[in-house]
Amino acid sequence: EAGVAQSPRYKIIEKRQSVAFWCNPISGHATLYWYQQILGQGPKLLIQFQNNGVVDDSQLPKDRFSAERLKGVDSTLKIQPAKLEDSAVYLCASSSNTLGRGLLTGELFFGEGSRLTVL
Amino acid sequence: AQTVTQSQPEMSVQEAETVTLSCTYDTSESDYYLFWYKQPPSRQMILVIRQEAYKQQNATENRFSVNFQKAAKSFSLKISDSQLGDAAMYFCAYTSGNTPLVFGKGTRLSVIA
Repeated sequence: EAGVAQSPRYKIIEKRQSVAFWCNPISGHATLYWYQQILGQGPKLLIQFQNNGVVDDSQLPKDRFSAERLKGVDSTLKIQPAKLEDSAVYLCASSSNTLGRGLLTGELFFGEGSRLTVL
Repeated sequence: AQTVTQSQPEMSVQEAETVTLSCTYDTSESDYYLFWYKQPPSRQMILVIRQEAYKQQNATENRFSVNFQKAAKSFSLKISDSQLGDAAMYFCAYTSGNTPLVFGKGTRLSVIA
């Protein structure tokens, strides 16, 4: 079974530039998550999708971050314009929830992450 | 809001010895799920072990076991017969099921040969 795929693995940009990250979850997983992991901290949820609908984006800085999952499969996370504090690893994860509206009872499967450095 | 606290930023253990990583959490829910995830250097995070709060019995997965103390809101991970491949960041995580998975700040485990 193929795992969660993410690209690019590494990206270096200047502040105020834009960047996009792509994620392809495990086949059949309805729920997809984007997490931000700043160095020395645990992952923080940015957005959760159930199929192609947003379940939770309360911690997404919507003035600069956007995400979509148009066909309910792969997803793109965009940052525009980037700030220095956006330097982090962006983790994509997926899960196969069994209790309706994105209720999580089981395991999240993570990709290797996309490391962003903003100069 | 639910919080997860890992009070040990770094731990070390001799190969073949046993180590315990600590985790406490804060919640007003009676039913929830707790997880330990392992993140090796430059590799993806993987699930180590999972505990459902309504289950009295502590979860065990081979060399990994937990000590779940619901009243104390404590969820520690014990690694027995430590191996070099156990070296990684370990994250404790919590969800009530309808809330996002909340992670602690992690504990970096070093295994000394």
